[in-house]
Amino acid sequence: DVKVTQSSRYLVKRTGEKVFLECVQDMDHENMFWYRQDPGLGLRLIYFSYDVKMKEKGDIPEGYSVSREKKERFSLILESASTNQTSMYLCASSIGQGGFSNYGYTFGSGTRLTVV
Amino acid sequence: GQQVMQIPQYQHVQEGEDFTTYCNSSTTLSNIQWYKQRPGGHPVFLIQLVKSGEVKKQKRLTFQFGEAKKNSSLHITATQTTDVGTYFCAGTNTGNQFYFGTGTSLTVIP
Repeated sequence: DVKVTQSSRYLVKRTGEKVFLECVQDMDHENMFWYRQDPGLGLRLIYFSYDVKMKEKGDIPEGYSVSREKKERFSLILESASTNQTSMYLCASSIGQGGFSNYGYTFGSGTRLTVV
Repeated sequence: GQQVMQIPQYQHVQEGEDFTTYCNSSTTLSNIQWYKQRPGGHPVFLIQLVKSGEVKKQKRLTFQFGEAKKNSSLHITATQTTDVGTYFCAGTNTGNQFYFGTGTSLTVIP
């Protein structure tokens, strides 16, 4: 089975801290995504990547950056955490070239980040 | 970005009743996918529809893609407590970025 592993299940950080959320997938998927999930808002795309060192902004990239130095790893960085970034963060991967995919996404278990 | 609206936001049903969630897009979609997220879990891919008017079944679940490829539905027949969770649709018109609906949270009362 494809596995998408997120490094932390729960995280508490202080306002202004730099936060790294790590995501690793083990099935050689080309595409990787970061979403945040908030009640009533569904899943909103922050960034995605369809190749190493490639990144594309999603709908809500402000306050975030990403890094994809290796195919299997996609990191989400909160440069200076703020309380409105308290949320559930979900990483996903999918098979497909150039970002295109006819297959479903495989999600990680999520990281619940609280910024205090 | 593209808008994918999903209704209702919440649905409570008695066990054994049917359930339907609807997904509507402001633009024509090339593909639509459905996911289920159990309480405390993460979204799990259920199915993808690509053809106009397509209907697919998975046991008690029936998925439809509209003729104009701007709407879709998921219907569950005779709900069970194991159906509890949030159901999301996700649509794309480019193939490389899916936009998720806001989800329908299903509660099944035993």
